[in-house]
This record gives sequence, C-alpha cells and structure tokens, in this order.
Amino acid sequence: DGGITQSPKYLFRKEGQNVTLSCEQNLNHDAMYWYRQDPGQGLRLIYYSQIVNDFQKGDIAEGYSVSREKKESFPLTVTSAQKNPTAFYLCASSIVSEKLFFGSGTQLSVL
Amino acid sequence: AQSVAQPEDQVNVAEGNPLTVKCTYSVSGNPYLFWYVQYPNRGLQFLLKYITGDNLVKGSYGFEAEFNKSQTSFHLKKPSALVSDSALYFCAVRDVGLGDDKIIFGKGTRLHILP
Repeated sequence: DGGITQSPKYLFRKEGQNVTLSCEQNLNHDAMYWYRQDPGQGLRLIYYSQIVNDFQKGDIAEGYSVSREKKESFPLTVTSAQKNPTAFYLCASSIVSEKLFFGSGTQLSVL
Repeated sequence: AQSVAQPEDQVNVAEGNPLTVKCTYSVSGNPYLFWYVQYPNRGLQFLLKYITGDNLVKGSYGFEAEFNKSQTSFHLKKPSALVSDSALYFCAVRDVGLGDDKIIFGKGTRLHILP
C-alpha cells in the first residue's frame, strides 16, 4: 500500500533528552512537512523540505532539527532545547503544489 | 508573510441544515487554498482545493467551497449536514508568490452536527 508512515505512535521524553520521530513515505513525493498540533492552536509548521538534502524552517523551528538524506524519509528530532515538547506531531508529503498526504501522527509526552 | 484565519472555534448545526465554516487568508501573490478534516487522534484528510479556475470548488463527502478574491475568503459549505460530519476542519494556504512550498494552516474549527 502507498502511504506515509509515522512511528512511534506514542513517545515519552525525559528531561534533557533528544528524541527522534520517524516519517517515511513511499509515494515518491518530493515535498515533506512536519507540523505540531496543540489544542486550540491548530497546526503549526516546524520544517519543510522540497527536495533531498534541502529543508527550510517553518514558523516554530526552534528546538527542533531535521534531515532529508533520502527522498522517502524526513525524521524530526526534538532536542532538549525545546522546553514544551508535549504535542501531537504530524508528518505530511505532497507532489509540489498538490494536496498533502498525512501520516497518523505521533503523540509526544514528557515524563 | 502568508496567514490563515478561521474566526470560529466551534460551529453548531442541526442535522439536515446547511453548514458554513469560515476561512480568510492573506498572501502576497496568488493563493492555493485547501480544506482538510480531522477525526479524533488521526491525521488530516483532504477535502478540496482551489488552484485556479471556477470559484466554486466541489470536494469529497458533498462539501464545496467558494473562493472570493475580493474578500480573501474560502468558506467551506455543505447544503445538508450529517451527524457524521462532526469533526475538526482546517483551512490551509500556499502563497504562490513566495515561490516555495510552504503551506500553513488555520487554527481549526470544530463542527458539531446536532441530531
């Protein structure tokens, strides 16, 4: 089946720890995105990538890092600098200028 | 910078009545506009898009949206609401004038369809 897969579904972070959220797509899409969802704040763009080995900061990139070494993969690292990481994280991909396909999300919580 | 506003946090509609979920946007160039729906603990699903052409766009599940350039709006509509339409709805915009693929979303509107 073609689609976009996020893992894990639930993730817990300890104080001072970096954690990495996985996002893989087999849709052959060039563009990939990471959004953070908090209640009442909608989806806020963290990072996006239009092509392999290139990515741009979104509106709330501080405390996060990404890589795009392969077309199908766009992992997001939540670093210890992100002081309020508890949120639902959504990954998406698209053909340029077309609709986004979303993964099922990762819920990150702080222990 | 591009922005999207969904002025209503929640909309309540009786089943069978028409519904409207409002969206306004701000871009420097021409907009690509989208509506998505989210069910609990799930990712978002695409409903419809406006790229160019006819201002009235039809999408999935009987939804439609009207692009109004002078009012910079892209309101989502359905002639007759179903209880199963109850969900969280997001409007999104890409600013073609920026020349990249940045897509931003509104805060979302929770739609409650009352039986």
